[in-house]
Amino acid sequence: GENVEQHPSTLSVQEGDSAVIKCTYSDSASNYFPWYKQELGKGPQLIIDIRSNVGEKKDQRIAVTLNKTAKHFSLHITETQPEDSAVYFCAAPRGDYKLSFGAGTTVTVRA
Amino acid sequence: NAGVTQTPKFQVLKTGQSMTLQCAQDMNHEYMSWYRQDPGMGLRLIHYSVGAGITDQGEVPNGYNVSRSTTEDFPLRLLSAAPSQTSVYFCASSSDPESYEQYFGPGTRLTVT
Repeated sequence: GENVEQHPSTLSVQEGDSAVIKCTYSDSASNYFPWYKQELGKGPQLIIDIRSNVGEKKDQRIAVTLNKTAKHFSLHITETQPEDSAVYFCAAPRGDYKLSFGAGTTVTVRA
Repeated sequence: NAGVTQTPKFQVLKTGQSMTLQCAQDMNHEYMSWYRQDPGMGLRLIHYSVGAGITDQGEVPNGYNVSRSTTEDFPLRLLSAAPSQTSVYFCASSSDPESYEQYFGPGTRLTVT
C-alpha cells in the first residue's frame, strides 16, 4: 500500500515569512495529493489538492507543487499569519476509496 | 446543513467496557469512514463503507466493529475497550470516493483507563 512520509514534524515561522512542508510517497501510480489543515479541537479540513497532470496549483497564499519523478509534493504558505497556526496533513491514495495520511506538521506562526 | 456530526465529544471508559461512537452526516454522501489520530502517527483508517449495507476494514480494524444500515449513520463500536484504544476518533464522509475529498467531523476524544 501507499506509504506517505511528511517533514518536518514541527515548524515555527515568524509572521510574514514563508512555510514549506514536504511529503514523499511510494506508489508511482498515485494521482491525487490533498493537503488538510486541522485547527485545535476540530477535524481536518481540505485546503488544497493537486492531481498528477499538473505540477503546481495556487490558491491565494497557499500553493502545492508536485514532482512525480522524485515522488514528492510540497505545501507552500506565503506571508504567514497567526491563523495559519495549525496541524497540516498531506495524503495520497491507498487503493480504492482510501487515503494514506502523513504524520502531520505542527505549524506555529510567531507574532 | 450540519455536515458530519459525532457524539460524544469526550468519553472515559474502563478497560473491558464497550461503547458506540456515533457518526451522522446530512449531505447524502455514500462513502463514510472512521479514523483514529494518535500523536506522531497521523490519521489511520479503521473501517470504511461505500454505501448502506457495505463495510470493509481499513489499516487498524482490530477491536472495532461497524455497520451501515442507513446512508446517514455509521456507528463505530468498541467491543472490549483497551488502553491502546485511547485516541481521538474522526468520522469522515465523501460524495465521491474517487475524488478523495473527505469531510471530517469534530472528533471524539476517548480515554481508556
